[in-house]
Amino acid sequence: AQKVTQAQTEISVVEKEDVTLDCVYETRDTTYYLFWYKQPPSGELVFLIRRNSFDEQNEISGRYSWNFQKSTSSFNFTITASQVVDSAVYFCALSDSSTSGTYKYIFGTGTRLKVLA
Amino acid sequence: GAVVSQHPSWVICKSGTSVKIECRSLDFQATTMFWYRQFPKQSLMLMATSNEGSKATYEQGVEKDKFLINHASLTLSTLTVTSAHPEDSSFYICSARLSGRVTGELFFGEGSRLTVL
Repeated sequence: AQKVTQAQTEISVVEKEDVTLDCVYETRDTTYYLFWYKQPPSGELVFLIRRNSFDEQNEISGRYSWNFQKSTSSFNFTITASQVVDSAVYFCALSDSSTSGTYKYIFGTGTRLKVLA
Repeated sequence: GAVVSQHPSWVICKSGTSVKIECRSLDFQATTMFWYRQFPKQSLMLMATSNEGSKATYEQGVEKDKFLINHASLTLSTLTVTSAHPEDSSFYICSARLSGRVTGELFFGEGSRLTVL
């Protein structure tokens, strides 16, 4: 069965601190895709990154970086030098075709990040 | 590019009435759209997969007759909550994937907040 676990319900940091959001996934497929989305208070989900199961290279985009480790089934997200505007709920999601052939998303429960000024 | 728009953003209705929510892909064609429901401070739960020109595929536990989905064109899917009751109050979010990119990222609409009195 597919499952995405975000064990951290809520994290509070002070501005300029680094913060890592954890994501652990379960899937039986060998081909799958992992995503991170940001949901600010306005409600709209903003796409941050997509990673396929064959690409374990870590990625950096500005203050954002992602660490994908298949050995531990984890896809963690780090924000460096956090800013107040980073305050949001962050969702990790898994997409595979194991259930119906349609690549549907399974979302984690989300991590609410509060960055304090 | 890849903008998904939902309408209305907010709707308040009386118990027993029906409400229609539209989801449009503004600058791309979407063979497949997905409808999610999100309760306060919770994750997104997939309700159904909407396929252009065919019947929607509902997730287990989702009432087909309660939540009518129509995907009449490559840029429009609608969700109708029939005979709404207070327990249907929620945040409904649609998403779309570019046609032909079966494993691509989803682009989400702004969400529609339904309040049933």
